Amino acid sequence: DAGITQSPRYKITETGRQVTLMCHQTWSHSYMFWYRQDLGHGLRLIYYSAAADITDKGEVPDGYVVSRSKTENFPLTLESATRSQTSVYFCASSESQGGGGQPQHFGDGTRLSIL
Amino acid sequence: GQQVMQIPQYQHVQEGEDFTTYCNSSTTLSNIQWYKQRPGGHPVFLIQLVKSGEVKKQKRLTFQFGEAKKNSSLHITATQTTDVGTYFCAGPIYGNNRLAFGKGNQVVVIP
Repeated sequence: DAGITQSPRYKITETGRQVTLMCHQTWSHSYMFWYRQDLGHGLRLIYYSAAADITDKGEVPDGYVVSRSKTENFPLTLESATRSQTSVYFCASSESQGGGGQPQHFGDGTRLSIL
Repeated sequence: GQQVMQIPQYQHVQEGEDFTTYCNSSTTLSNIQWYKQRPGGHPVFLIQLVKSGEVKKQKRLTFQFGEAKKNSSLHITATQTTDVGTYFCAGPIYGNNRLAFGKGNQVVVIP
């Protein structure tokens, strides 16, 4: 979907480095999410945000930091990358309607390799 | 916590044949959603079912929501090579806008 973009698409970095993955959506959706996808684990939620300045932990938040100063942006930072964080990262967004679990729209993903 | 389970995890399907993939929740769901992820791609929302016993069709795909709203199925007829990918089901986690995703059913189509 053109309305949600992730950058970079591919990233190779070294252990211990800080890396930030960007996510931008143009729909003005309230909710935004970060997932990682690894073989055998499906989609695992890292962090999510209900609105600007409101973020909360998902299933696997350790080693990650998020912020949401503007509705449209939701960057994910790995403060000190580890090999176990090699994965495909997806950002998603959804509308907010009574907390009923609205359909999510995913970005193209960032393929991150940590050497 | 709330769990959504999918069976089977992998399927090899001959082109032209039909197949079904199943989704089961540990709790009653307000709705069930299905997504498809092509190889190398991202999950794409297919459909949402809300009512008990609901059946919806999209061309060769038939989606069903169980009477107890704890299970769902996706049936594909006359499988084509374009059906290859991983199919995920997802249900809302009560009280917020998160979704609990199943681990997916990876479908390989044999020409």
